[in-house]
Amino acid sequence: NAGVTQTPKFQVLKTGQSMTLQCAQDMNHEYMSWYRQDPGMGLRLIHYSVGAGITDQGEVPNGYNVSRSTTEDFPLRLLSAAPSQTSVYFCASSYGVGYGYTFGSGTRLTVV
Amino acid sequence: GESVGLHLPTLSVQEGDNSIINCAYSNSASDYFIWYKQESGKGPQFIIDIRSNMDKRQGQRVTVLLNKTVKHLSLQIAATQPGDSAVYFCAAPAIVFGPGTRLSVLP
Repeated sequence: NAGVTQTPKFQVLKTGQSMTLQCAQDMNHEYMSWYRQDPGMGLRLIHYSVGAGITDQGEVPNGYNVSRSTTEDFPLRLLSAAPSQTSVYFCASSYGVGYGYTFGSGTRLTVV
Repeated sequence: GESVGLHLPTLSVQEGDNSIINCAYSNSASDYFIWYKQESGKGPQFIIDIRSNMDKRQGQRVTVLLNKTVKHLSLQIAATQPGDSAVYFCAAPAIVFGPGTRLSVLP
């Protein structure tokens, strides 16, 4: 049981490049979410999913896309990276709204 | 929508003392709250939760208190240890996190 697995752990992108941050969970959780965390700030919700085939926007969705084709995977796509997207990204999963989240170890992204 | 916030961005306590971290929320309909601990360089980790039909819940060295009248909850850590040094977040059911309180344990 690996929990929530995020890859890569570190990434440097040039402005304008695109990439996908991977997230997978093996706990059969229905809920999955992506957050970004900037220095001195809390977690801000980017996108979330309440089940396979269902996604919705969070607080800061601009510049990011998600899809949820399976229960296990919830990739986050940066369409055209900008320096403002330099951050640490966390993926999390949960059984549902009345349960705590299990977080991945994070992806540290730098856009130059 | 829901919003949560913590009262103090930083808290320093002596090793062995008790720590109290506070959080306020805005939505009186919220029925579930969670406390997370985030150590440096790691993702948040679930500590303890509480549902609105309870006023208090205890774990190992941690206690969460919920005051629905004033929409306030607190996390109490007994006999604070160096390993408790971290940022602590409270979260509401709409997956909203407060900005966090950084707990520093002084030797």
